[in-house]
Parts: sequence; C-alpha cells; structure tokens
Amino acid sequence: EAQVTQNPRYLITVTGKKLTVTCSQNMNHEYMSWYRQDPGLGLRQIYYSMNVEVTDKGDVPEGYKVSRKEKRNFPLILESPSPNQTSLYFCASSLRWYTEAFFGQGTRLTVV
Amino acid sequence: AQTVTQSQPEMSVQEAETVTLSCTYDTSENNYYLFWYKQPPSRQMILVIRQEAYKQQNATENRFSVNFQKAAKSFSLKISDSQLGDTAMYFCAFMTPLGSGNTGKLIFGQGTTLQVKP
Repeated sequence: EAQVTQNPRYLITVTGKKLTVTCSQNMNHEYMSWYRQDPGLGLRQIYYSMNVEVTDKGDVPEGYKVSRKEKRNFPLILESPSPNQTSLYFCASSLRWYTEAFFGQGTRLTVV
Repeated sequence: AQTVTQSQPEMSVQEAETVTLSCTYDTSENNYYLFWYKQPPSRQMILVIRQEAYKQQNATENRFSVNFQKAAKSFSLKISDSQLGDTAMYFCAFMTPLGSGNTGKLIFGQGTTLQVKP
C-alpha cells in the first residue's frame, strides 16, 4: 500500500531533550516536507526537500533540523525542544513539488 | 505575502443537503494550484479536489465541486448530498510554482470545521 508513515503518533517529552520524528514514504517521491498544524493557523511548512541531499527552510524552521540521506526517509529533529514546539506535525511527500501531496498520519507532540 | 483566508470557522449542514465552504486567497502570481483537503477526526489529511489556475473549468469529484473565480481570487467548495462521513475540518490550500523565492509549499487557510447532522 502506498503511504507515508510517521512515528511516533504521540509523544510527550521534556524541555531540552533531543527527539526525532521519523517519516518514510514508499512511493519513490522526490519532494518531501514537514508541516506543523496549530489552532487558527492552519498548517505551516517547516522544511522541505526537493531530492536526496537537497533540503531548505520553509516558513517556520527555527528550532528544527532535517536530513535527506535516502529518498524515502525525511526525519525531523528537534535538538532542544521547547514548549512552543508543542503542536501536531505532518510529513508529506509528492512525486514532484506540484503534484498531489500525500500526508502521514500526524504526530502529536507535547513539550512540558 | 501570499495568504489564504477561510472566514467560516464552523459550519453545520443537515444530512443530504448542500453546503458551500468559502476560501479567498491573495497572490500576484498568475500560475498556481488550489486544493481542498479534508481532515476527519482521525487527523489524516485527505485531498478532496485540486484546481489548476490556468483551467477555466471548475473541478469536480463526485459530490464535491468548486467555484473558482480567478479575478476575485475565490475558491469555494460545494458539497452536495452531504453525508455523515463528511464531518471533518476542511482546509483550503494554495501552491505557487517553484522558483522566484517560492518553495513549492502549500499555504493553508485556517480551516473550517463542518458538522453534518443526521
């Protein structure tokens, strides 16, 4: 089944403790991105990747890192999480940047 | 700055009736893409419908159709014969072509929560 898989789906952590949210797609998509969803703000892009080893900042990149060592994986790294990073996170992939974006199931992150 | 506005935070409709969700956007681009995504309580983001700005014909997908007014920068979603399974948050989204500072990202509106009542 074609899908984007995020893990974990729920995570509660403490301020400053490094964490990684994984994202993997099995559709051989070139374009991948991370969004965060906050009430009243919709979804905002954090980082995106056009292809392997090519990543760039989106609208809200502060406090996040990404890597794209393999085409299928695009992990989101929070080196030192803070409470303002409490949010719902989505990974998305598409064959090209302009084609349909497929979203993962979302990761609900709470930083206390 | 490119923005997307959904002015209806919440709406409700009776089962089997028709409802229209509003969306306006602001851009100076001529070529772009517009989308409606559905987010049910499961949180999954599901593409409902897509419209290319260069196409004058309004997109349709079964019970879902759009009214795309390019000059007015309006992109409303009409759901006909509403079903209980249509209950969800709906997001309007806009994408500009890559280049000239654009990242190929989706720019989302704030969302409209739709409740379909039996």
